[in-house]
Amino acid sequence: AQRVTQPEKLLSVFKGAPVELKCNYSYSGSPELFWYVQYSRQRLQLLLRHISRESIKGFTADLNKGETSFHLKKPFAQEEDSAMYYCALRPSGGYQKVTFGIGTKLQVIP
Amino acid sequence: GAVVSQHPSWVICKSGTSVKIECRSLDFQATTMFWYRQFPKQSLMLMATSNEGSKATYEQGVEKDKFLINHASLTLSTLTVTSAHPEDSSFYICSAPSPGEQYFGPGTRLTVT
Repeated sequence: AQRVTQPEKLLSVFKGAPVELKCNYSYSGSPELFWYVQYSRQRLQLLLRHISRESIKGFTADLNKGETSFHLKKPFAQEEDSAMYYCALRPSGGYQKVTFGIGTKLQVIP
Repeated sequence: GAVVSQHPSWVICKSGTSVKIECRSLDFQATTMFWYRQFPKQSLMLMATSNEGSKATYEQGVEKDKFLINHASLTLSTLTVTSAHPEDSSFYICSAPSPGEQYFGPGTRLTVT
């Protein structure tokens, strides 16, 4: 069974402060890890995926297989980063279902 | 990127009636579509997987006779909520997978009165 844990429902930070949204996963096989973002009244959209090792909107996430974590980080938070962030896991190989964490609401205080 | 659309974006219906939600992949073919439900302030919960040309597979606890799924073509999947009740009020989201990611529709807000 696959499981994604996001321990914080709400994270409030001041503008300019560093951000770290935590995500831990449980899966016996080889997973694909993603971060999705949902801005107010908008659809879910992909922010990052571990296989591409990219930085989007200043966010980065590194897959740590030893700690089974995929934390999302940004050095300096901006007000427009306020949104819901979902960590997600999909088994590698084929079009398999994605399991989501409960989400973390990031609130950037001006 | 690829686009997935849903129709309607919101619907209000009376208890006991049925509602159909359409999910279309606009610029690619989707042999598989996932249907999720999202309650307020909660995460997305997978309800079922629709497969073009075969029966849908449902997650544990999801009534297949209540949530009818049809994947009529490579670009269209439908979810029909039959005999809707107020507890079925939720945000329904479809999603189509592709290599490396998954594309989400904008969602359908269902309110059952």
